[in-house]
Amino acid sequence: GEDVEQSLFLSVREGDSSVINCTYTDSSSTYLYWYKQEPGAGLQLLTYIFSNMDMKQDQRLTVLLNKKDKHLSLRIADTQTGDSAIYFCAESSGYSTLTFGKGTMLLVSP
Amino acid sequence: DTGVSQDPRHKITKRGQNVTFRCDPISEHNRLYWYRQTLGQGPEFLTYFQNEAQLEKSRLLSDRFSAERPKGSFSTLEIQRTEQGDSAMYLCASVLGNNEKLFFGSGTQLSVL
Repeated sequence: GEDVEQSLFLSVREGDSSVINCTYTDSSSTYLYWYKQEPGAGLQLLTYIFSNMDMKQDQRLTVLLNKKDKHLSLRIADTQTGDSAIYFCAESSGYSTLTFGKGTMLLVSP
Repeated sequence: DTGVSQDPRHKITKRGQNVTFRCDPISEHNRLYWYRQTLGQGPEFLTYFQNEAQLEKSRLLSDRFSAERPKGSFSTLEIQRTEQGDSAMYLCASVLGNNEKLFFGSGTQLSVL
């Protein structure tokens, strides 16, 4: 079955860039997503990328997709303490039935 | 607030009791999803509706679970004879048409004692 893997933890200093990585196995994935979850809250859609794209930029967020290696990354520029949260990578082959990774906890220290 | 709304936010119940959760999707979103998230894990797909039709169910959805969306607007998820293993966050999400931007509610945290 489909699998999505992420590193579990990342720690950065405020003002640095953060890069969160994700790998997936489903070669039929058409959409790849990044969600943010703060403690006790639901998931906030940050950005998503269609599989025929290599890169997408949205303000401080840059998503890179290497379809050949099935590797997705999320770069957060000028990371702030408010960015501390769990970040989930997810893939879908359509109809929004997403397969999520276990999440990467990002800790931003002042 | 025009986001996905879930009620209640928290539910504590004793093993063997029945519970029901409600989800109100974003207005006019015709597809509605239920996911379950346990501690330290990502959400797992349970089921989804297009309008009032339930089109797909995960094998995670045992026969104790039933979901409905009677008029194609709000949805309910019922768990009968709850077990401790049902303790989780139950998340609802909705999406409009062929748009693949899935928006989640804040979830219902279920604790089965």
